[in-house]
Amino acid sequence: QLVVTQSPSASASLGASVKLTCTLSRGHSSYAIAWHQQQPEKGPRYLMKVKSDGSHSKGDGIPDRFSGASSGAERYLTISSLQSEDEADYYCQTWGNDIHVFGGGTKLTVL
Amino acid sequence: QVQLVESGGGVVQPGRSLRLSCAASGFTFSRYGMHWVRQAPGKGLEWVAVIWYDGRNKYHADSVKGRFTISRDNSKNTLYLQMNSLRAEDTAVYYCARDGYRILPDGKNQWEQPHWGQGTLVTVSS
Repeated sequence: QLVVTQSPSASASLGASVKLTCTLSRGHSSYAIAWHQQQPEKGPRYLMKVKSDGSHSKGDGIPDRFSGASSGAERYLTISSLQSEDEADYYCQTWGNDIHVFGGGTKLTVL
Repeated sequence: QVQLVESGGGVVQPGRSLRLSCAASGFTFSRYGMHWVRQAPGKGLEWVAVIWYDGRNKYHADSVKGRFTISRDNSKNTLYLQMNSLRAEDTAVYYCARDGYRILPDGKNQWEQPHWGQGTLVTVSS
């Protein structure tokens, strides 16, 4: 069964870096994922696609502070030089032939 | 620029029906798969359904299978979600989203960025 798992919460200080993790279920470690950001009271926004080889394709206007990487079944989103507007929910998404799934989301708090 | 504008949300009684629409502009609608994704109050994102660029294939989440139907009209650049037998647990903001892949003239696909609409609220309550 295709599933992606995220930690419910993360926190880091203003100006610091944070690494969020999305883990693919057993047997799906070759799958690409997409990261989406949802700021409070707003709709989601696409950030980037991350492939199993670590390459990533960012959306228009996404700052260089956002980057992606991969290791095995894990896909990462790293945000450096944290700003207050980065405080948001972050969702990973993956897909198969006939199904798409979202992780439960990680709530990022900027201290 | 890409725009996705949902409409049709509102308050509906349990067991009744509702149809959502999503008007697309700023891109070649017929070259992209389209999705409905929902978000219950205070909860995360839940994928609801996808329809391929030409409408020939469509898939629904188990939670809505048999009750909801996704469809599209490429001549009108519009995506639809027919929701029947609505339940309280269907209460959510419903987002229309463009898939990340574009179908090229040679039949191959190319990744471009997904786009989201602003959402429409559906409340199922007596």
